[in-house]
Amino acid sequence: AQTVTQSQPEMSVQEAETVTLSCTYDTSENNYYLFWYKQPPSRQMILVIRQEAYKQQNATENRFSVNFQKAAKSFSLKISDSQLGDTAMYFCAFMKHRVRDNLFFGTGTRLTVIP
Amino acid sequence: NAGVTQTPKFRVLKTGQSMTLLCAQDMNHEYMYWYRQDPGMGLRLIHYSVGEGTTAKGEVPDGYNVSRLKKQNFLLGLESAAPSQTSVYFCASSYPLTPFGGAHNEQFFGPGTRLTVL
Repeated sequence: AQTVTQSQPEMSVQEAETVTLSCTYDTSENNYYLFWYKQPPSRQMILVIRQEAYKQQNATENRFSVNFQKAAKSFSLKISDSQLGDTAMYFCAFMKHRVRDNLFFGTGTRLTVIP
Repeated sequence: NAGVTQTPKFRVLKTGQSMTLLCAQDMNHEYMYWYRQDPGMGLRLIHYSVGEGTTAKGEVPDGYNVSRLKKQNFLLGLESAAPSQTSVYFCASSYPLTPFGGAHNEQFFGPGTRLTVL
């Protein structure tokens, strides 16, 4: 079974600063996908960034970037120039590269951006 | 496009009552999913469907049934609600995985339904 671990239940960061959220996962698969989802107080799940395991280059989306270490099974999210709107729960998720499969989620990290 | 919508947004049930949650998507997605989210836990898959007329069990299927009679709709039923089913329920949809992934493996989520069973 796949497991996704987020060891930081809560984090805070000053506005405009940089913060890194950690995620590790356990799998015997070689091909898979990793995601970071954001859940603001509105409860809506919003995809932040996606990484395909066969790609060595780390994904980047504007202020969001990942550090994907396949051998270490680590997938951290870096948020640069933090904004108040970044305050949310962040979930790391794993999906096998296979038809008929689902997302396996971590337990989440609650991020608070302090003005 | 409305994306993924869920009905209702909130519901309170008494133990033993039944209800159906409706999920609708207008993106012509083949795959649809039902998740539950409990405090301190990530989302867990209840059931999913890879096409009209097909359903399959996820991680936590007990106490739930689903139906996918139309491609755009995915229903989640609770026949006899229990307090342990108090949770926030999310529906999601996606295209089938393709050999090289890409945008087609993104799941789009609905806004959630908060269900309380007394």
